[in-house]
Amino acid sequence: QVQLVESGGGVVQPGGSLRLSCAASGFTFINYGMHWVRQAPGKGLEWLTFIWNDGTNKYYADSVKGRFTISRDYSKNTLYLQMNSLRPEDTAVYYCAKGTTVTETLDYWGQGTLVTVSS
Amino acid sequence: QSVLTQPPSVSGAPGQRVTISCTGSSSNIGAGFDIHWYQQLPGAVPKLLIYDNTNRPSGVPDRFSGSKSGTSASLAITGLQAEDEADYYCQSYDNSLGAVVFGGGTKLTVL
Repeated sequence: QVQLVESGGGVVQPGGSLRLSCAASGFTFINYGMHWVRQAPGKGLEWLTFIWNDGTNKYYADSVKGRFTISRDYSKNTLYLQMNSLRPEDTAVYYCAKGTTVTETLDYWGQGTLVTVSS
Repeated sequence: QSVLTQPPSVSGAPGQRVTISCTGSSSNIGAGFDIHWYQQLPGAVPKLLIYDNTNRPSGVPDRFSGSKSGTSASLAITGLQAEDEADYYCQSYDNSLGAVVFGGGTKLTVL
């Protein structure tokens, strides 16, 4: 069965950096695009970024463009989100999700990891 | 505000039918991109409810159905049950933004 397990969340000061990981299993990782989505406390879902199955194309929301970078490691079946220049408004639960192409559905979601940006 | 517009809340009594609308524009729903719906139970992870406008993943009851027309889409829930109380989100792709977009979410209350 598909499993997505995020890790790497925690408390970081404004301006700091953090790298999230998402370990994928139960499907052929190289065949699927992957997303990161976040949810601020008490708020709705916000899509952040998508990477093609082969890693050649990436898409970003304007809110994180230039600060966040998505990547993937096929040898480890792991998706990453490098987050730099963090702001208090980046405080949220971060989910990775399995997709196919960028226009299609996010069919499986991880349990999420909480990132808190605070001094 | 979200690119896809949903009502903040809807409510209904057990057994009733409710609908949740999702209004977009010519750069997303109106451009032919599919709509997908997610259910997020309190304290839980979002779960895919409807994909490609009208399709239910295995295990989703047929009380849930989706439709799409023009620049809008709807999620209908019939035979409302207490366990349907959750937040519901629509999602599509916007080719003007070059981004995946979510609706703001709708909180369903079962009276």
